[in-house]
Amino acid sequence: GNSVTQMEGPVTLSEEAFLTINCTYTATGYPSLFWYVQYPGEGLQLLLKATKADDKGSNKGFEATYRKETTSFHLEKGSVQVSDSAVYFCALLAFGNEKLTFGTGTRLTIIP
Amino acid sequence: EAGVAQSPRYKIIEKRQSVAFWCNPISGHATLYWYQQILGQGPKLLIQFQNNGVVDDSQLPKDRFSAERLKGVDSTLKIQPAKLEDSAVYLCASSLWGGQMQEEQFFGPGTRLTVL
Repeated sequence: GNSVTQMEGPVTLSEEAFLTINCTYTATGYPSLFWYVQYPGEGLQLLLKATKADDKGSNKGFEATYRKETTSFHLEKGSVQVSDSAVYFCALLAFGNEKLTFGTGTRLTIIP
Repeated sequence: EAGVAQSPRYKIIEKRQSVAFWCNPISGHATLYWYQQILGQGPKLLIQFQNNGVVDDSQLPKDRFSAERLKGVDSTLKIQPAKLEDSAVYLCASSLWGGQMQEEQFFGPGTRLTVL
């Protein structure tokens, strides 16, 4: 079946540090890949996505590249801010199926 | 544009009681999803509606959970009777059609259920 394995948290970084949150997946065929973010007290929001191999999704300074050879979709940001503190979820959508499969989430805290 | 609305935001009940959650999707969105998010885990799909028909309810515990989407708009999710392990956040999401792989699902703020 389909599954997403995500870097365990929590992750605590200082402001302006470099961020990487690892995500690997298992799926039949070629899924679409997503990063969702959940800010305190709010619902899940789509942060970025990639629909085919070597695509790079980007938004708000975050980036992730769809790596078919390593079945990975790692989230990166060059300089994090306090406002980036949230829980980040990696997810996949398998071909022909609208059911999102989520990772367990990584809680990120940025300290000033 | 108004987002996905859910109510209540919080609910505390005792085991064996009943509870219902309500969701109002984004106007015009044909597809509606209910997810269960247990603490420390990612959301898990319970049921998916396309208009007022069920597309996927394979992970819905049908002995105690039920859901309906009358008129293809609002939806309610019910648990009867509740168990301790039902404590979770229940998320509602909607998408425009559900027929495209790249289509974004928009999530509501969720209802946090605590079963004592």
